[in-house]
Parts: sequence; C-alpha cells; structure tokens
Amino acid sequence: DAGVIQSPRHEVTEMGQEVTLRCKPISGHNSLFWYRQTMMRGLELLIYFNNNVPIDDSGMPEDRFSAKMPNASFSTLKIQPSEPRDSAVYFCASTPYGGTKNIQYFGAGTRLSVL
Amino acid sequence: EDQVTQSPEALRLQEGESSSLNCSYTVSGLRGLFWYRQDPGKGPEFLFTLYSAGEEKEKERLKATLTKKESFLHITAPKPEDSATYLCAVLLIQGAQKLVFGQGTRLTINP
Repeated sequence: DAGVIQSPRHEVTEMGQEVTLRCKPISGHNSLFWYRQTMMRGLELLIYFNNNVPIDDSGMPEDRFSAKMPNASFSTLKIQPSEPRDSAVYFCASTPYGGTKNIQYFGAGTRLSVL
Repeated sequence: EDQVTQSPEALRLQEGESSSLNCSYTVSGLRGLFWYRQDPGKGPEFLFTLYSAGEEKEKERLKATLTKKESFLHITAPKPEDSATYLCAVLLIQGAQKLVFGQGTRLTINP
C-alpha cells in the first residue's frame, strides 16, 4: 500500500497568492483529515470528511481556508489569499470510517512557507 | 476544556538508559488514547492505541500503559534510532473522530 500521498512536499509562495495542497488517502479509507502543525500550537485538526462530506470544519482558522473532497481518492486544502502566519506543515490523514480502531494514518506533509 | 499535556518537552538519554514519557489528560470522556512517533520531516507514525485503564501494549523497546488520568510510554534500553518526537492523542466520546494531540516529547538517545 502506498500510504497517504500528499503534494507538493514543499511550497514557497508570496503573501497574497493562492495555495492548493493535495491529498490522496489510502485506498478504501473513507474518512479524511487535514491537520496543521506549528511549533507554537502543535498538531491541530482543521477539518475532516466522512464519505466525501465535510463533518467538522470548526478548526478552519478563517474564511481564507477552504477544503474539498470531490471523490473518495482526492482532497484539496486551499488558502486564498495566503499570509505569512499560514506558514506551517500541513498533514493529511485517513482512516476507515466506522472502523472500531479509529487509527489515523498520516501522509508525509506539505511544508508551506509564505513570504 | 479537553486538554492533553505531555512531559517532559524534551528528554536526552544515553543509549541503554531506560525512562518514561508522560501524557496526562483532562477530558470529558475518553474513547481511546493513541501514541504516535514522528521523525523530522515526516508525518506521525502510529504506535499504539489503548482503550481502558489498566491496558498495556508493547512493541520492541516500547511499552504503553494507561490509567484513568494519564498514559506512560516506557522506553527500555533505548537505541539512537529511537530518537524522535513522541505524540500522544486522545479520542473523545463526544468528539466523533477528532483526535486531540499533546505537544509532544522530543526524545534524543545519545550513543
């Protein structure tokens, strides 16, 4: 199994630009999670989906952030416009929805730098 | 407010020197507690999950235990390759599938 695949691995952009992060969950996993990790705040859940439907987006910091899951094998996290404080590592994770163990498997992350 | 606190923030050990990492939690209702390992530049990697007080899990040099208020990750005779950040997370009864993570303990094992 290839695991959770995220792209790009690194993204450097200028303030005000649109940024799109991509995630492919593990095949057969129908719950997908987006996290942000910073030194100050640690690992924080932004939003998660079950069966492509957003369930909880209470962690999305503001309207500049949006996430979509158009099908079971692809999700995007978009920041528009980006700001320097958005600089962080963004992780995607997946797990089988309805599974008893609730183990989330993480991708390698996207390191975002907004200049 | 649900909180997860890990201690110490950082720990340096000599190879072979056993120790324990702590994860204490104050939550409304616990469904499960998870331990992850994170290497620099990588995503968290699942280690263990514990569901009830008194439960223990082992994997190589690591053993995780759970009480009603905290969990310990015991590291026996560690090796340099055990160096990593260890993250604890809780799954709440009323949190659906949301994991609440602690800040992590950065462990360094010197040869």
